[in-house]
Amino acid sequence: AQSVTQLDSHVSVSEGTPVLLRCNYSSSYSPSLFWYVQHPNKGLQLLLKYTSAATLVKGINGFEAEFKKSETSFHLTKPSAHMSDAAEYFCVVSNTGGYQKVTFGTGTKLQVIP
Amino acid sequence: GAVVSQHPSRVICKSGTSVKIECRSLDFQATTMFWYRQFPKKSLMLMATSNEGSKATYEQGVEKDKFLINHASLTLSTLTVTSAHPEDSSFYICSARQGLAGIETQYFGPGTRLLVL
Repeated sequence: AQSVTQLDSHVSVSEGTPVLLRCNYSSSYSPSLFWYVQHPNKGLQLLLKYTSAATLVKGINGFEAEFKKSETSFHLTKPSAHMSDAAEYFCVVSNTGGYQKVTFGTGTKLQVIP
Repeated sequence: GAVVSQHPSRVICKSGTSVKIECRSLDFQATTMFWYRQFPKKSLMLMATSNEGSKATYEQGVEKDKFLINHASLTLSTLTVTSAHPEDSSFYICSARQGLAGIETQYFGPGTRLLVL
């Protein structure tokens, strides 16, 4: 069984300040973890992925996430928020077996204040 | 990059009517497409996996006679909500997979918002 919890449904930051979007997961096996971003009226776009290699993963647009097995967390961070980062972010967990089961988090809406 | 489109982007229909939603991969061929449903403030739920030229595989709890899926070509899959009711109102998202299995190879459409009156 697997699940993913995004702890904040809404996060508001000022432009130029750090971003932290939290994600905790549970899994019976070694999972793959992903962060997706969804801008209004656009499809989900892959930001980054963890697939059992380096625990600190760098993605597009300056985002990165750290896989912490002891804390079962995969929080998304960015040093300095930009207005264009305002969007909905989804944390996703997937098994790595033959039949891929994917579980999405409920999403975190990021608001960036000028 | 790979682009997936959905049409229509939003639709309003009367209860009892059927609604068809199209999902197209614009610049690649997709042997597998996926249909998701997203409730307000809820995560995306996979409804079914659609393979070109064969019957769709539905997730547990999804009525296959209610949500008809057709994947007639390598670039088009359709979802038809038959005899729609207000509880079918939701945001439907498709994705198309390019290449090998793995969610990272899925490209998502922008979604279709369905409102059943």
